[in-house]
Amino acid sequence: EAQVTQNPRYLITVTGKKLTVTCSQNMNHEYMSWYRQDPGLGLRQIYYSMNVEVTDKGDVPEGYKVSRKEKRNFPLILESPSPNQTSLYFCASSPAMGYEQYFGPGTRLTVT
Amino acid sequence: AQSVTQLGSHVSVSEGALVLLRCNYSSSVPPYLFWYVQYPNQGLQLLLKYTSAATLVKGINDFEAEFKKSETSFHLTKPSAHMSDAAEYFCAVSDLTGNQFYFGTGTSLTVIP
Repeated sequence: EAQVTQNPRYLITVTGKKLTVTCSQNMNHEYMSWYRQDPGLGLRQIYYSMNVEVTDKGDVPEGYKVSRKEKRNFPLILESPSPNQTSLYFCASSPAMGYEQYFGPGTRLTVT
Repeated sequence: AQSVTQLGSHVSVSEGALVLLRCNYSSSVPPYLFWYVQYPNQGLQLLLKYTSAATLVKGINDFEAEFKKSETSFHLTKPSAHMSDAAEYFCAVSDLTGNQFYFGTGTSLTVIP
């Protein structure tokens, strides 16, 4: 089944404890992206990747890192999480830029 | 940067009534515009996409959207609402490169039986 998977689905952590949210797609898509969803703010793009080893900042990149070493994986790294990063995070992929994006099921992160 | 405005964070319609969800974008014509739907506790699913081939775009489940350059709008419509249409709807536009995407704040649709 073609899909985007994210792990973990739920995570509660403490301020400053480094964490990684994994994202993997099995559709051989070139483009991948991370978003955060907050009430009243919709989705905001954090980082995107046009292909392996090619990443760029979205609208809200502060406090996040990404890497794209393999085509199928695009992990999101929070090196020192803070409470304002409490949010619902979505990974998405698409065949190339401009195509519709396929979204993962989301990761709900709480930073205390 | 682009910005996307969705007028009405909550819209209620009766079952069988017309659904109209509004979306306006800013500045220059974005190359790509989308409508996505999000059901509770799920990710987003594509409803339809505009890519300049035609101003009226048909999507899944009888949804349509019309691109109006003069009004910088991309409103979503459905002739007859079903209970299963109750969800959150997001309008999204790309920047000129097609790499960066901007989403509206969403419209929650309630369908009243």
